[in-house]
Amino acid sequence: GAGVSQSPRYKVAKRGQDVALRCDPISGHVSLFWYQQALGQGPEFLTYFQNEAQLDKSGLPSDRFFAERPEGSVSTLKIQRTQQEDSAVYLCASSLFQGITYNEQFFGPGTRLTVL
Amino acid sequence: SQQGEEDPQALSIQEGENATMNCSYKTSINNLQWYRQNSGRGLVHLILIRSNEREKHSGRLRVTLDTSKKSSSLLITASRAADTASYFCALNQGGKLIFGQGTELSVKP
Repeated sequence: GAGVSQSPRYKVAKRGQDVALRCDPISGHVSLFWYQQALGQGPEFLTYFQNEAQLDKSGLPSDRFFAERPEGSVSTLKIQRTQQEDSAVYLCASSLFQGITYNEQFFGPGTRLTVL
Repeated sequence: SQQGEEDPQALSIQEGENATMNCSYKTSINNLQWYRQNSGRGLVHLILIRSNEREKHSGRLRVTLDTSKKSSSLLITASRAADTASYFCALNQGGKLIFGQGTELSVKP
């Protein structure tokens, strides 16, 4: 079956531009997560959805970052007025269960964002 | 910080040798997971060990967990060149994963 897909795979933006990153989770997966991974570092949590509800956005680094999942399936991470420090790989993950204790997360290939 | 810290940061071995990576953490956990990331690719889940488990096996992988020492180890036996990747431990904190900085493993043929 299809895994988690993300688009675009690569995005180059000029500083100050807005970008939108898309995530298609595995069909039927209730939970969806966004992570940011800087070069040479481990992924860092950004935000979490259960169906269409954004239950945790504590990892979003600033109010320039916004995520939505309006129909409980596809999610979009939007970054407004991009800055060079936003350059990173943005990973999306989904998991099947609502229960959060013993969940395996399935990751997409990521979107590599480069801000010039 | 609640994140796991991997040790060593980098490891280079010959094919056929065993590779051991360690993860230490500071908070109580529900479970601890190990992930692999190949260069330029996404994260792949390897194994999950629950807080009430001490050891778990999956193929050539062996994971141990010592909650009293707040540490875990990942052992890859009979390594192959295809095992070359970054390996991360991740703590489950209310559903979200808190990753360490990873161990970069290089297996030379």
